[in-house]
Amino acid sequence: ETGVTQTPRHLVMGMTNKKSLKCEQHLGHNAMYWYKQSAKKPLELMFVYSLEERVENNSVPSRFSPECPNSSHLFLHLHTLQPEDSALYLCASSRDRGSYEQYFGPGTRLTVT
Amino acid sequence: TQLLEQSPQFLSIQEGENLTVYCNSSSVFSSLQWYRQEPGEGPVLLVTVVTGGEVKKLKRLTFQFGDARKDSSLHITAAQPGDTGLYLCAGAFENSGNTPLVFGKGTRLSVIA
Repeated sequence: ETGVTQTPRHLVMGMTNKKSLKCEQHLGHNAMYWYKQSAKKPLELMFVYSLEERVENNSVPSRFSPECPNSSHLFLHLHTLQPEDSALYLCASSRDRGSYEQYFGPGTRLTVT
Repeated sequence: TQLLEQSPQFLSIQEGENLTVYCNSSSVFSSLQWYRQEPGEGPVLLVTVVTGGEVKKLKRLTFQFGDARKDSSLHITAAQPGDTGLYLCAGAFENSGNTPLVFGKGTRLSVIA
């Protein structure tokens, strides 16, 4: 495995479901990110983790809950989502928080019904 | 709020044509990245520019950073269908500390064979 991987690639969930997105990076990086990509909007940064510590939370609703158990893995736990949360959720990593060259996973296409 | 404007928003051209897309801001960048995102995938880093006036080439792609470090352009020579995708620029603004990258909305390029 190389680079940044994300599972699942596609997810359909009801508003009352609980699901988790998983991201794994094999680059030896120390910073990891969750982004939301919606149509006609720029990438929206959701969370930043540096050395497993959350360093940024961009006013994301509490129905999104991140978890970073180690520097290689990042999760996004989802519960009671809304249809407007349907989007492509991208994970990225960088060498450290101050390094701006980010490497992205393929994303999880989430549809909330 | 520091914004990053990309133009044009959409571009459809014939194979073999040349094109230029732009990325502009009213603020100064300490560094700027260009990414390409293909359908169903995450963005892939193409280049990073950091010095005003810098020009970098990647095969048929030429990236230029403005002298004042407020703008950048991407020129593609003899476009091919494989160049189709969403081209994103992302900037780290000067004096922004560890503030993460700001992304533009992108230019969606379609190259028709």
